[in-house]
Amino acid sequence: IAGITQAPTSQILAAGRRMTLRCTQDMRHNAMYWYRQDLGLGLRLIHYSNTAGTTGKGEVPDGYSVSRANTDDFPLTLASAVPSQTSVYFCASSDSDSGGNEQFFGPGTRLTVL
Amino acid sequence: GQNIDQPTEMTATEGAIVQINCTYQTSGFNGLFWYQQHAGEAPTFLSYNVLDGLEEKGRFSSFLSRSKGYSYLLLKELQMKDSASYLCAVRDGDYKLSFGAGTTVTVRA
Repeated sequence: IAGITQAPTSQILAAGRRMTLRCTQDMRHNAMYWYRQDLGLGLRLIHYSNTAGTTGKGEVPDGYSVSRANTDDFPLTLASAVPSQTSVYFCASSDSDSGGNEQFFGPGTRLTVL
Repeated sequence: GQNIDQPTEMTATEGAIVQINCTYQTSGFNGLFWYQQHAGEAPTFLSYNVLDGLEEKGRFSSFLSRSKGYSYLLLKELQMKDSASYLCAVRDGDYKLSFGAGTTVTVRA
């Protein structure tokens, strides 16, 4: 693995189903983030984790949960998907929350909830 | 919270210069980032400003005025591959990024 990966690439899901989006990074970054991107709204932060074992809520956390059991993995779970969760989901990581350390983004997961 | 505004679309000719403005209102400020995003791809980092002034990086420059809540990204010698969305993002006091909706730049021959 080089950088940050996400799976699946795309998914069509029936409303009410449970879904976990996977994110893995091999850069040993301590901070990780989940965003959703919708047309005209830009990227919005769902949840974040500053370090393994800790998580926090972003701007739009309702309907989503995350866990950070180790440094590399940061899965995002939709407990019961709804059509409004149709979006492109990006995972990102950064080396630290300070300084000019930029966030590196994964390739994204395109999710459609019917 | 953050309120970040940038134009929706801009069009320019190959070889020309384009300036993308970004204004913001923040509850805390710890830096401003610009990202480039090609259609169907992930955002990639372009520049970072935390102090007032101009940061130059090849054909791309970014300017910040903290007192005015204003930044711009300057793209010089435009190339066709520069056609993309450009995202302005502000990092707040809790070190979280808030993004503008993005500016789609179309470069024409």
